[in-house]
Amino acid sequence: GAGVSQSPRYKVAKRGQDVALRCDPISGHVSLFWYQQALGQGPEFLTYFQNEAQLDKSGLPSDRFFAERPEGSVSTLKIQRTQKEDSAVYLCASSLDPSGGGRTDTQYFGPGTRLTVL
Amino acid sequence: QKEVEQNSGPLSVPEGAIASLNCTYSDRGSQSFFWYRQYSGKSPELIMFIYSNGDKEDGRFTAQLNKASQYVSLLIRDSQPSDSATYLCAVNPDVAGGFKTIFGAGTRLFVKA
Repeated sequence: GAGVSQSPRYKVAKRGQDVALRCDPISGHVSLFWYQQALGQGPEFLTYFQNEAQLDKSGLPSDRFFAERPEGSVSTLKIQRTQKEDSAVYLCASSLDPSGGGRTDTQYFGPGTRLTVL
Repeated sequence: QKEVEQNSGPLSVPEGAIASLNCTYSDRGSQSFFWYRQYSGKSPELIMFIYSNGDKEDGRFTAQLNKASQYVSLLIRDSQPSDSATYLCAVNPDVAGGFKTIFGAGTRLFVKA
């Protein structure tokens, strides 16, 4: 079956531009996570959705980062006024678990979007 | 102190040997523990999860959890060159910690043919 998909796979932005990264989770998966992964580091949690509700956004590094999942399926991570330090791979993951908030359920990762800010 | 710590490696083992990967975590109330494998340029994929103290075996992989000592390990038996990758330890904190999953920086493993 189809896995988690993300688009675009690569994005180059000039400093100050706004970008939007899309995630299509596995159909029926309730939980959706966004992570930021810098080179040589593990994924860093950004935000978590349970259906359309954003239940945890404690990892968003600044108010330039915004995420939404309006219909409980596709999610978009938006970064406004991009800075060089935003350059990273942005990973989306989904899990089926409807009650544990992904706490105890397997997360399936998409291929990521590599963002480069010049 | 990082919340999840791993030796960055690289860890180099010969083909057929046992590779031992270790991880410590700081939140004593952590609920569940995961090992992910990440090949260069690819996204993480789950190898194993463990919730209870003790050992859990799945094929060539064994996860070990010791909550009293706050460490979790992954053993890979009969290591193959295809096991060469970065292994990420991930921890879900207790309820008060929200919904985040905390990853370590990963240990790079090289299996020499």
